Amino acid sequence: QSALTQPASVSGSPGQSITISCTGTSSDVGGYNYVSWYQQHPGKAPKLMIYDVTNRPSGVSHRFSGSKSGNTASLTISGLQAEDEADYYCSSYTSSSTRVVFGGGTKLTVL
Amino acid sequence: EVQLVESGGGLVQPGRSLRLSCTASGFTFGDYAMNWVRQAPGKGLEWVGFIRSKTYGGTTEYAASVKGRFTISRDDSKSVAYLQMNSLKTEDTAMYYCAREQGMYYDIFTGLMVDPNFFDNWGQGTLVTVSS
Repeated sequence: QSALTQPASVSGSPGQSITISCTGTSSDVGGYNYVSWYQQHPGKAPKLMIYDVTNRPSGVSHRFSGSKSGNTASLTISGLQAEDEADYYCSSYTSSSTRVVFGGGTKLTVL
Repeated sequence: EVQLVESGGGLVQPGRSLRLSCTASGFTFGDYAMNWVRQAPGKGLEWVGFIRSKTYGGTTEYAASVKGRFTISRDDSKSVAYLQMNSLKTEDTAMYYCAREQGMYYDIFTGLMVDPNFFDNWGQGTLVTVSS
């Protein structure tokens, strides 16, 4: 069982917006602004999409945005495109001995 | 262009050892921390451990699941990070990725030096299968 809880799957049609949630505790998501999001296409390495809750690395589309409220972080993808279909993982620093924890991943399907 | 290339994976029997390498290019390797993250077949990501840059002591931290069995080291002269895995278990079967993390920085809100805690470049992974 993953330390952070994500929905197993979400879906949306091209052009729509979707939001993926990531729920933790005050020891991780709620206690620090060190939430990041990764995109992983099948058979590929993960790619950083969001760091420090809201920041986008250079080269990542403005359609991707992050936010946080309490113990839950969210990734929103607007203007869905076919290429956004992938698995998405959230991650957070944790004050436990593990240092970094991931969510179980969410499979995004673009209908 | 930043490149990370893992090698050393393969089939190994339970209880045996294996050493993975992560060869870096395209950036000043010594300025960055290096992490290892694994993914069991069909499963999610699991952080394994990391080593800070020598600027910040070259210290290491590990996930509880591998602490005492796995050791991370680095050779900055060769731009390589290593993951030494001992006493391997079947549950260690996974794709192992190395991932780059920027160096510590001063957090103005806490007044502390902190690790970034995110990974901006990843290798393609090397598969480790632990089976008899």
